[in-house]
Amino acid sequence: EVQLVESGGGLVKPGGSLRLSCAASGFTFSNAWMSWVRQAPGKGLEWVGRIKSKTDGGTTDYAAPVKGRFTISRDDSKNTLYLQMNSLKTEDTAVYYCTTVGSGSYSFFDYWGQGTLVTVSS
Amino acid sequence: SYVLTQPPSVSVAPGKTARITCGGNNIGSKSVHWYQQKPGQAPVLVIYYDSDRPSGIPERFSGSNSGNTATLTISRVEAGDEADYYCQVWDSSSDQGVFGGGTKLTVL
Repeated sequence: EVQLVESGGGLVKPGGSLRLSCAASGFTFSNAWMSWVRQAPGKGLEWVGRIKSKTDGGTTDYAAPVKGRFTISRDDSKNTLYLQMNSLKTEDTAVYYCTTVGSGSYSFFDYWGQGTLVTVSS
Repeated sequence: SYVLTQPPSVSVAPGKTARITCGGNNIGSKSVHWYQQKPGQAPVLVIYYDSDRPSGIPERFSGSNSGNTATLTISRVEAGDEADYYCQVWDSSSDQGVFGGGTKLTVL
């Protein structure tokens, strides 16, 4: 059974930093492309970014609002995905979900974690 | 950037058919995926590649995609189908994931 468990959320001041983690199990993590999706309180889903498997280059892509501030990385030895968030803004307040990216066209998100809440406030 | 447009809300009586649309420029040339999100829960993939169902998703859920509109159809709607539904595509021109704004399905 695929399991994704996010952690690391909390309250941070504007301009601060936070690192989220996503512990994965139930599948071959090293072969998987992974993504982060967020949801502001009472709002819709917003794609944050993705990381390819190392076999496929391990490269990353980011949504425009977070590019240059957020960094996605992975530790295949620990089956863990990370999201380093710097220069946080109040508009980054959201539940952050870790997802697997469906193989094939790598265009959809087939498994989701339960999410971790990040609150950016002074 | 690519934009997906969904109606904010759709209402349907139990046992009837609900249709939720997702509009986008020439969306028929893209693969559309749909997610169901119930209150307080993470989203669940219900349709991928326009019309494929993941294992465990009832056959009552189906999808289509043509021209400028993709549609999620839920037949024989049940109270448990009440949720927010989001369409999603991958914009390969910018290498970005794109979600629609979401549609709240209310079962009357």
